[in-house]
Amino acid sequence: GQQVMQIPQYQHVQEGEDFTTYCNSSTTLSNIQWYKQRPGGHPVFLIQLVKSGEVKKQKRLTFQFGEAKKNSSLHITATQTTDVGTYFCAGTLGNAGGTSYGKLTFGQGTILTVHP
Amino acid sequence: DSGVTQTPKHLITATGQRVTLRCSPRSGDLSVYWYQQSLDQGLQFLIQYYNGEERAKGNILERFSAQQFPDLHSELNLSSLELGDSALYFCASSVGVSMIGGRAAGEQFFGPGTRLTVL
Repeated sequence: GQQVMQIPQYQHVQEGEDFTTYCNSSTTLSNIQWYKQRPGGHPVFLIQLVKSGEVKKQKRLTFQFGEAKKNSSLHITATQTTDVGTYFCAGTLGNAGGTSYGKLTFGQGTILTVHP
Repeated sequence: DSGVTQTPKHLITATGQRVTLRCSPRSGDLSVYWYQQSLDQGLQFLIQYYNGEERAKGNILERFSAQQFPDLHSELNLSSLELGDSALYFCASSVGVSMIGGRAAGEQFFGPGTRLTVL
């Protein structure tokens, strides 16, 4: 079945350092989404990438979708303590359908700890 | 607040029992998704409903079942509970149609979750 692998599983950084998490799929994805889950909270949508080679930025966060639409990355510049949490990528396989988006396959997540 | 509500927040029960988890999607969202999150398994997709019909199935056990009602709320039924079913169960909703107002239709809004403990 479709698998989405995410690395690293854990990342500890000092405040101000950069952070990157990588996501790889065994199959071509229709799109990829990124979510953030704060400790004790629920996943919150960050962004969706659809096009091959797409790059999107949100302030200190940069998201990339690979040319083959099989990998993606999230890079945070100059981490802050508010960045702590688990970052998940989630992919949709193939045709999402005309009137509904199908299931997301989540990566295992990267748990980010930021030391002040 | 995502607009998705889930009840109960916590549930403690014994092995062999049956429980029902309830989810109300955001107003206007037609798709409802159920996920199981445990420490060693990450976030696992269970099932999706769209406007009352089952649309996609993931790693949902036969002991589990779900449905979406005409008012679009959804229930996840877990029966013959085992210790390994202890987990956080999330419901999520999405619009479920192509780009509406420029917002990605695939964006899912998660509820606060129900923490199930099976003793």
